[in-house]
Amino acid sequence: KAGVTQTPRYLIKTRGQQVTLSCSPISGHRSVSWYQQTPGQGLQFLFEYFSETQRNKGNFPGRFSGRQFSNSRSEMNVSTLELGDSALYLCASSPPGGSDTQYFGPGTRLTVL
Amino acid sequence: EDQVTQSPEALRLQEGESSSLNCSYTVSGLRGLFWYRQDPGKGPEFLFTLYSAGEEKEKERLKATLTKKESFLHITAPKPEDSATYLCAVQARSGGSNYKLTFGKGTLLTVNP
Repeated sequence: KAGVTQTPRYLIKTRGQQVTLSCSPISGHRSVSWYQQTPGQGLQFLFEYFSETQRNKGNFPGRFSGRQFSNSRSEMNVSTLELGDSALYLCASSPPGGSDTQYFGPGTRLTVL
Repeated sequence: EDQVTQSPEALRLQEGESSSLNCSYTVSGLRGLFWYRQDPGKGPEFLFTLYSAGEEKEKERLKATLTKKESFLHITAPKPEDSATYLCAVQARSGGSNYKLTFGKGTLLTVNP
C-alpha cells in the first residue's frame, strides 16, 4: 500500500507570495492532518480534515487555510508569506474505524526569502 | 494547555550501550501517547501507541512504557541505525468530541559504532 504522498517536496517563495501544498493520504484513509515543523517550535498542529470538513484547528493565523476533496486528498494554503513561515510542512492520515494512529508523509520543505 | 517535554534534548551512545528517553506530559484527559522516529529529511515514522498507565509495547530493541505522568522509551543494545530523532506526542480532547496531537520537541539520538 502506498504511503502518504506530498507535493511538491521543496518550494522556494518570496515574502508576500502565497503557496499551495498538496497531500494524498493512504488509500482508504479519510482523516488528514497538517503540521508545521521548525527547529525552534518542533511539530505544531495546523488543522485536521475529515470527510471534507475541518474537524479541528490549531493556533495559527487565518493566513493558513486548508481544504479536503471528496477523494480525501487535501491542500493547505498559506497567503502573504512571511519569513517565519519557512518550515517543513507535514501531512498525516489516519485509518477509519477509530484508530488514532497518524501516518506521516515525507513533508514539503518551504523556504521563504 | 497541553504540554509535552522530552529529555534529554540530545543523547550520544556507544553501540551496545542501553539507555532511556523520557517524555513527561501535562494534559487533561489523555487518550493516547505516541512515539515516532524521524530521520533527517523525512516524515515521522510511527513506533508505538500507549493508552493506559502500566502499558508496555516492544519492537526489536525498543520498549515503550507509560505512567500517569510520563513515558519512557528504552533502547537496549542500540545500533548505529537507531540514530534518529525520537518524538513523543500526546492525544487529548481539544473540544467537543475532537482530539488533537501535541508533540514534544524530540530527543536526537546518536549511536556511535
